[in-house]
Amino acid sequence: EVQLVESGGGLVRPGGSLRLSCEASGFTFNTFAMNWVRQAPGKGLEWVSSITSSSTYINYSDSVKGRFTVSRDNAKNVLYLQMDNLRAEDTAFYYCARDEGDYWGQGTLVTVSS
Amino acid sequence: DIQLTQSPSFLSASVGERVTITCRASQGISNYLGWYQQKPGKAPKLLIYAASTLQSGVPSRFSGSGSGTEFTLTISSLQPEDFATYYCQQVNSYPLTFGGGTKLDIK
Repeated sequence: EVQLVESGGGLVRPGGSLRLSCEASGFTFNTFAMNWVRQAPGKGLEWVSSITSSSTYINYSDSVKGRFTVSRDNAKNVLYLQMDNLRAEDTAFYYCARDEGDYWGQGTLVTVSS
Repeated sequence: DIQLTQSPSFLSASVGERVTITCRASQGISNYLGWYQQKPGKAPKLLIYAASTLQSGVPSRFSGSGSGTEFTLTISSLQPEDFATYYCQQVNSYPLTFGGGTKLDIK
């Protein structure tokens, strides 16, 4: 069974940092590109970042470029999102998803507030 | 960036009704479009990919069509479990973008 499980969310002050993790199981992780997508409470979906299977190609939305860094450890089957210089507008549920869109994690909530 | 405009934003309908949701892209995206269903507190669920291909396990009452800049999601006969919010997403080019969503509720 394919599973994606995010962790690492929480409350952080503006300007602070968090690292999200997404543990993958039930499929050959190192053959799939992965995405991060976020959703502010009560709002729509927003793509954040994508990383190819071997980390060759990485893309970011303009809203996080220069502040967020996506990476993956294919030996551990884990996807990461390092979030620095966090802002109030980064408050959202963060989902990891397979690039095909067919499997998503349950989401982890990041709240940026003083 | 490619903008996706969904219409309507809100839709009230009854069980058994046929409903259609439209997604218009600001430029041509061939068939690089997917449709998702999201229920409160849950992750999005993929319904349709490549504009018209039904994802495995999704009921056949869901269908997608379109190419280029105009796309539709149709639910042929609404069931109680279909009341949710629906999003389109283009995967033609980065940045990937989503439509603003269509909230479908019970009339």
